[in-house]
Amino acid sequence: DQQVKQNSPSLSVQEGRISILNCDYTNSMFDYFLWYKKYPAEGPTFLISISSIKDKNEDGRFTVFLNKSAKHLSLHIVPSQPGDSAVYFCAASASGGSYIPTFGRGTSLIVHP
Amino acid sequence: DAMVIQNPRYQVTQFGKPVTLSCSQTLNHNVMYWYQQKSSQAPKLLFHYYDKDFNNEADTPDNFQSRRPNTSFCFLDIRSPGLGDTAMYLCATSRAPLAGGPHTDTQYFGPGTRLTVL
Repeated sequence: DQQVKQNSPSLSVQEGRISILNCDYTNSMFDYFLWYKKYPAEGPTFLISISSIKDKNEDGRFTVFLNKSAKHLSLHIVPSQPGDSAVYFCAASASGGSYIPTFGRGTSLIVHP
Repeated sequence: DAMVIQNPRYQVTQFGKPVTLSCSQTLNHNVMYWYQQKSSQAPKLLFHYYDKDFNNEADTPDNFQSRRPNTSFCFLDIRSPGLGDTAMYLCATSRAPLAGGPHTDTQYFGPGTRLTVL
C-alpha cells in the first residue's frame, strides 16, 4: 500500500516552460516532505524540502507547494532546462514515527530543447 | 569530495549463489541505509544502522543480511539470491536527527549496485 504516490510516471516539457511534478500522500502523520533528483547511473540527490508548518518553499528555480488539506504537494521548476531532465522522487516522513522518509515511485522529467 | 561509494556498480550472480555488496562513506555519518529499487518502483528500505544499532524492516526477507564493521563501511549480504532479487541496491547515509532541527536529515545516496540474478 503506497503511502506516497507519484501518479505520473513521466512528464515532457519544452525548455523555458514550467514543469510541475505532483505527489500525493495518504498518511496524515507525514509532516516533512522532500524532493530528490536522480540522473542515470547516479544515486538520488537532495533537491528541496518543506515542513508542514509552511505551504511554500522556494530555492532558485525550484518551488515546492504543500496543500495539507488535500494531502498533495507539487514541485515547480521555472524555467525548465534540458539539464533538469531526470527522475524526481517525492518523499515524506512523520515526526511522530520513524525519521526515515517513505519514497514515491518517481516521475521521469524530460525537458526538450 | 566527501561521498558515498558503492562496489561493484554491476553484479551478475547465479540463482542461489551468495553475493555481497559494499558501501563506504567519507561523510562520517552515523546512519547508513540499504534500499532495494526494482524497475519503476519506489526505493524500498531494507534496513538501516544507527551507529552500531541494526534496524531491520519488518518485511525484509531473512535472505538479506547486513554488516557494519565500522562507521565508514556497510555490507549487504544476500545469502541465496532469487530471480526476484534482481534490482538496483542503493546505499545512503545521513546524520542522526538533531534536537530542535528537522527530524529528517538529508540522505546522501551512492550510485547504486545493479544486481542481476540469472
